[in-house]
Amino acid sequence: EVQLVESGGGLVPPGGSLRLSCAASEFSFSDYYLSWVRQAPGKGLEWVANIKQDGSEKNYVDSVKGRFTISRDNAQNSLYLQMNSLRAEDTAIYYCVGGGWYATYWGQGTLVTVSS
Amino acid sequence: EIVMTQSPATLSVSPGERATLSCRASQSVSSKLAWYQQKPGQAPRLLIYGASTRATGIPARFSGSGSGTEFTLTISSLQSEDFAVYYCQQYNNWPRTFGQGTKVEIK
Repeated sequence: EVQLVESGGGLVPPGGSLRLSCAASEFSFSDYYLSWVRQAPGKGLEWVANIKQDGSEKNYVDSVKGRFTISRDNAQNSLYLQMNSLRAEDTAIYYCVGGGWYATYWGQGTLVTVSS
Repeated sequence: EIVMTQSPATLSVSPGERATLSCRASQSVSSKLAWYQQKPGQAPRLLIYGASTRATGIPARFSGSGSGTEFTLTISSLQSEDFAVYYCQQYNNWPRTFGQGTKVEIK
């Protein structure tokens, strides 16, 4: 069974930084686009970023451009999201997703709370 | 950015009845449309991609249709485990965008 396990969430003050990680198992990691999708508390879903299989192409939603960086390490079966200059509106559950067009596989999510 | 609009916001249905959920795109997305189910406290689950192809393990009572700007998710006979929030998502353009969701609740 495919497993995607996120870590690295927590409480951070506005303007702070956080790095999320996602470890994959039972999954052909290097064959897939990977993405981060977030969900603010009680709200809908927002696709944040995706990255091509070899890392050569990355896309970001406008609201995080210049602040977030997606990366991957295929040797370690790991996906990352470096989040800088965090804002209150970045508060959400962040899901690691297998797929770059539609989300075939989902992790359980990690909660990021931006608050002073 | 393509705006996805789902209707209704809430659908009250009795177990065993049929549920029809709608999703409209602000511009054509061809057939690049997916549907997800999300239960409280859980991650979403992929139901349908390509507007009408069921994902692995999804029961046949779930079906999708449509193309261009108008899409429908039909649940032919609602089971207790189907009461949840459903989202549509387009993947024709970046950024990928979701509808705001339809909550299917027990009538």
